Amino acid sequence: QVQLVESGGGVVQPGRSLRLSCAASGFIFSRYVMHWVRQAPGKGLEWVAVISYDGSDKYHADSVKGRFTISRDNSKNTLYLRMNTLRAEDTAVYYCARDFEEHSHGKGFRHWGQGTLVTVSS
Amino acid sequence: QSALTQPASVSGSPGQSITISCTGTSSDIGVYNYVSWYQQHPGKAPKFILYDVSNRPSGVSNRFSGSKSGNTASLTISGLQAEDEADYYCLSYTTSSTLVFGGGTKLTVL
Repeated sequence: QVQLVESGGGVVQPGRSLRLSCAASGFIFSRYVMHWVRQAPGKGLEWVAVISYDGSDKYHADSVKGRFTISRDNSKNTLYLRMNTLRAEDTAVYYCARDFEEHSHGKGFRHWGQGTLVTVSS
Repeated sequence: QSALTQPASVSGSPGQSITISCTGTSSDIGVYNYVSWYQQHPGKAPKFILYDVSNRPSGVSNRFSGSKSGNTASLTISGLQAEDEADYYCLSYTTSSTLVFGGGTKLTVL
């Protein structure tokens, strides 16, 4: 069965960096577009970034552009989110999610990880 | 990348039907049928309930249906049940190759 397991969250000071990982299993990782989505405490869902199945195309939300970078290692079946210059407003649960069908981009997310909490605080 | 617009809350009694709207622009909902909907219970990851505006993934109840007109997509839940009480979010692909969520709607079953 499809599994997505995030890790790397924790408490970090403003201005510092953090890298999240998402280990994928149960499907052919290299055939799927992958996303990061976040949810601040008590707030709604916010799409963060997407990466094509081969890593050649990446897009980021304006709120994180220039600070966050999505990447993937298909040989390790792992998705990453490098987060630099963190701000208090980046505090959220971060989910990785798989696009619905092989090679689709934007059809939606049937499979989600359990999320990892990032808290930006001094 | 402004969030899609959803009502903050809707309510209905068991057995009734409710509709949640999701309004975007000609850069997202208006040009693509890549609209999906999610149900989220407190403390849980979102659940995928509709894609491509009106298609249900396998295992999702046929009480959930979707439609789109112009820049607005809609989710209808018929035969409301207590377990439908949750937050609902729409999501659309955009002309910038990014995606955007709606602000979310809290459904209360009276």
